[in-house]
Amino acid sequence: GNSVTQMEGPVTLSEEAFLTINCTYTATGYPSLFWYVQYPGEGLQLLLKATKADDKGSNKGFEATYRKETTSFHLEKGSVQVSDSAVYFCALSYNQGGKLIFGQGTELSVKP
Amino acid sequence: NAGVTQTPKFRVLKTGQSMTLLCAQDMNHEYMYWYRQDPGMGLRLIHYSVGEGTTAKGEVPDGYNVSRLKKQNFLLGLESAAPSQTSVYFCASSYSGGSRNQPQHFGDGTRLSIL
Repeated sequence: GNSVTQMEGPVTLSEEAFLTINCTYTATGYPSLFWYVQYPGEGLQLLLKATKADDKGSNKGFEATYRKETTSFHLEKGSVQVSDSAVYFCALSYNQGGKLIFGQGTELSVKP
Repeated sequence: NAGVTQTPKFRVLKTGQSMTLLCAQDMNHEYMYWYRQDPGMGLRLIHYSVGEGTTAKGEVPDGYNVSRLKKQNFLLGLESAAPSQTSVYFCASSYSGGSRNQPQHFGDGTRLSIL
């Protein structure tokens, strides 16, 4: 079946460090891939998306590339800030109806 | 500029009680979803709707019912609450066109505790 696996957290980084959060997926067909971010006490917000192989999604300094050959969609940021502290979710959408399958989430804590 | 609004934000119930969670969206979206979020498990889909008057089961539908009588509202009901339903519940909505590529818009969640 379809599934998403993320690296376990929590991840703790110092401000200005490089961030990578790994995400791999299993899916039939050609899913769309998403990263959502959840700040404390809030709902999820779309961070970026990619809808076909080799697409790169980017937003607020975050990037992720849809790699079909490795079934991956790793999230990266060159220099994290304290304000990036949040939980990050990788997700895929695989058919009509727009249903999402989420990874378990990765908590990021950035220290000054 | 409300987006997706969930009520209530917090609720404590006793085992066996019933309640309804309300989700309202003002973006004229066709699709609406209810998820539950539990530690270490991400979000899991409970029920969803692809239009007014329609509902369908998601991954974890047991113990819940839903209704979509109006396009802008999606109600989640617990008929007889159980401690295993203690969770944070999120509602989301999305545009239907090219639905596989459309992002979902989330409410701020309802924190529900069942004693």
